[in-house]
Amino acid sequence: ETGVTQTPRHLVMGMTNKKSLKCEQHLGHNAMYWYKQSAKKPLELMFVYSLEERVENNSVPSRFSPECPNSSHLFLHLHTLQPEDSALYLCASSLGTGGSNGNTEAFFGQGTRLTVV
Amino acid sequence: GQNIDQPTEMTATEGAIVQINCTYQTSGFNGLFWYQQHAGEAPTFLSYNVLDGLEEKGRFSSFLSRSKGYSYLLLKELQMKDSASYLCAVRDTGRRALTFGSGTRLQVQP
Repeated sequence: ETGVTQTPRHLVMGMTNKKSLKCEQHLGHNAMYWYKQSAKKPLELMFVYSLEERVENNSVPSRFSPECPNSSHLFLHLHTLQPEDSALYLCASSLGTGGSNGNTEAFFGQGTRLTVV
Repeated sequence: GQNIDQPTEMTATEGAIVQINCTYQTSGFNGLFWYQQHAGEAPTFLSYNVLDGLEEKGRFSSFLSRSKGYSYLLLKELQMKDSASYLCAVRDTGRRALTFGSGTRLQVQP
């Protein structure tokens, strides 16, 4: 248990479906992140939220829509996805986002294994 | 931007020592992290370096040379449970999140 909980753990959805991924952290952190992990590729940063404000959007297609209602919860809303979006989606949190102190390690959730059919 | 390179796969023997290298290029270095990720599980934090030198933590040590853009993770007294992917990640002063390398899949054999 890392203190970051993601649900569901596995999700299969059609290209016309709408679904949401949920992330919850119990660590008192004020920054949260969505990463995408595809086979044999580096973890790709998707979105960064700091104090519930989106501070980074890494050129992610609009079919992925994040939402951060408070500092403990982060959602990723999915609609009209493509098969190439199938991947492991990882949520992470950290205390702050670096700044002058680089040692703000990120704690990861177990991820949601998404398959788009 | 950032560019992080590490070997794709390595194999080592139980009880031995293995060194996993990572080279990086970044416009404003603000720390290097190593994570361990077992198949199907979350990446877990192993070590952090921001100054040159060696950081030791039990069987694991991490080294950094900022002038060379180089780090390594040293695993001693390898155990079967050390079979995992090891991810090198860099924080840039201009960005808020970590940028990860592709990871090195380590297989420990009996």
